[in-house]
Parts: sequence; structure tokens; C-alpha cells
Amino acid sequence: DIQMTQSPSSLSASVGDRVTITCRASQTISSYLNWYQQKPGKDPKLLIYAASSLQSGVPSRFSGSGSGTDFTLTISSLQPEDFATYYCQQSYSTPWTFGQGTKVEIK
Amino acid sequence: QVQLQESGPGLVKPSETLSLTCTVSGDSISSDFWSWIRQPPGKGLEWIGYIVYSGSTNYNPSLKSRVTISIDTSRNQFSLKLRSVTAADTAVYFCARTKYYYESGGSYYFDYWGQGTLVTVSP
Repeated sequence: DIQMTQSPSSLSASVGDRVTITCRASQTISSYLNWYQQKPGKDPKLLIYAASSLQSGVPSRFSGSGSGTDFTLTISSLQPEDFATYYCQQSYSTPWTFGQGTKVEIK
Repeated sequence: QVQLQESGPGLVKPSETLSLTCTVSGDSISSDFWSWIRQPPGKGLEWIGYIVYSGSTNYNPSLKSRVTISIDTSRNQFSLKLRSVTAADTAVYFCARTKYYYESGGSYYFDYWGQGTLVTVSP
């Protein structure tokens, strides 16, 4: 299985901050990387697919980059509704696997 | 608007079979792939497997010996059965549409999810 490792596991930030979350794959996955946002008690929401493509309806402050084994999710200006847990997920090969999550908390 | 809704018992006894159904509205189940994903309380996400309208499946090897996913196109539903459950199978179970995208050579993402249903394995 391809292991996905996110860092940091959690972070504290203020509204307006620029936030960066990284995701590393245990082997190359080309650009087959998706990002999700999950709020407590809710289902995950797709933010980014194919490493850098913004899902329809997702605010443009979210962006993704990377290829191969190293990927980044950036929130350019953190908003109150962005406090949540973020997961990366590889779709390069089955079993599709997720990172352990990064919890973004209010500073 | 695509909507998915999980249904099934919230409590299952150890060694028994967990059975869930996902009802899809706003889209035909005879297109795309359809997945089950679970999340133990306070933990991360685990993909269980997917099914295509033809009935073809792909399961996570970690669960493959205990899992069956089936599809009922007449009811626009797909289902999950997980046999011989233990406490480690306690989780929120999500169903999700699994969409193929053509960019970057093509692959899949989960774009619509059910709200999830908590299944507890306990005597």
C-alpha cells in the first residue's frame, strides 16, 4: 500500500493567515492526489483533485501543488469557516489511501 | 443535486455481519464508480472498496476476505456487507460517488458523500 504522511498533524492559525499543509507519498504517485476538508460530525468535502485542480464551488483561496511524492495544500487567507481537518488521498493505485489528517485550529 | 444516504443498523454484535445500503438520488447509479469509506471515532479515513454498475468490484486487501459490495440499479442503491465484525470495525461508514477525471492522465476522486452512519460493534 502507498503510505500518505501529512505534516503537521495540527496547527494553530489566525484568521487571515496563510496556511500550508504538506503531504508526502511513500512512492511516486504522479499527480494523482486529492485534498478534502472535514468538519466535526460531517462528511469530507472535496477541495482539490489531480493535485492542483480546484473543485467547482470551492473558494479560490484554496490551492494545491506538487507531483511525484511531495504535495502542498495552501489556504491563502484563512477564514473562520476553514477551521477543520484536512486530508490528502492518493488515487494512483488501489487500495486508495488517505493521510492521517491535519487539524487546523484557531489561535 | 446528487445526494447519497446511508441506512442500516447502528449496532451489530461481534462475529455477525454489518449490512448497510446507500441510496443515490440526483444521479443514475449506472454511471461512475461507487465507494464505501469508513472512519473509526476520532481517527482517519479508510477506503473499503468500490463497485461499478456492471457489478465489477475492487476491495481493500485489508478487508477483502470479509467484504462484499453489491449494486441494485433498479433501486439506484448499492450495499456493503462486512462479515465477522469485531470492535475494530466500529466506525462511521460513508458511501461516496467516485468520479473519474481526465486531467493528468485520469484517475478518481470522491466528489459526493453521504452524511455517514455510525455502526457500533458491541455485544
